[in-house]
Amino acid sequence: NAGVTQTPKFRVLKTGQSMTLLCAQDMNHEYMYWYRQDPGMGLRLIHYSVGEGTTAKGEVPDGYNVSRLKKQNFLLGLESAAPSQTSVYFCASSYPLGTGIRHEQYFGPGTRLTVT
Amino acid sequence: GQQLNQSPQSMFIQEGEDVSMNCTSSSIFNTWLWYKQDPGEGPVLLIALYKAGELTSNGRLTAQFGITRKDSFLNISASIPSDVGIYFCAGGSNFGNEKLTFGTGTRLTIIP
Repeated sequence: NAGVTQTPKFRVLKTGQSMTLLCAQDMNHEYMYWYRQDPGMGLRLIHYSVGEGTTAKGEVPDGYNVSRLKKQNFLLGLESAAPSQTSVYFCASSYPLGTGIRHEQYFGPGTRLTVT
Repeated sequence: GQQLNQSPQSMFIQEGEDVSMNCTSSSIFNTWLWYKQDPGEGPVLLIALYKAGELTSNGRLTAQFGITRKDSFLNISASIPSDVGIYFCAGGSNFGNEKLTFGTGTRLTIIP
């Protein structure tokens, strides 16, 4: 049981390049989330999904897109990277179907992205 | 977006000391969670609280769900070097219940 995994662990992009971050979970969770963490800013929600085929905007969605084609995977895309998107990105999942435990989020190890 | 008020922002303690931190909100929450983040890692869930007044322990850690539903407390007894890290609280509401509101974090440092 690997929990939540993220690919890649590190990436350096040039301004204007695109990339996709992959998150996978093997806990059969319904909900998945993408956060960014910047020094002194805590965790900020980018986008989230409450089920396969659904996505919704979080607190800071601009410049990002997401897709949840399979229940176990949640992709975060940057179409045209900007230096302001330099950050650490965390994926999380929660809510095993059939339980009432919606709020316990489990996090991946993070992706460290630098945009130059 | 809303963030929970977490205090203190940082703590410098000696090994063996007890630690207390708290989290307050202007809104009521139905769930309180406490996470720990080690340097270079993702947050790890420590304790989850579901009822007002609930007191739950996990080893040397004890957390309480405040009676007003607007606060929560985390205590660490007899701190050890591996307790170093950032501790985050998070609140969950039954309205918009798929999201959490996170605290700003308490950074714990142990002085040799």
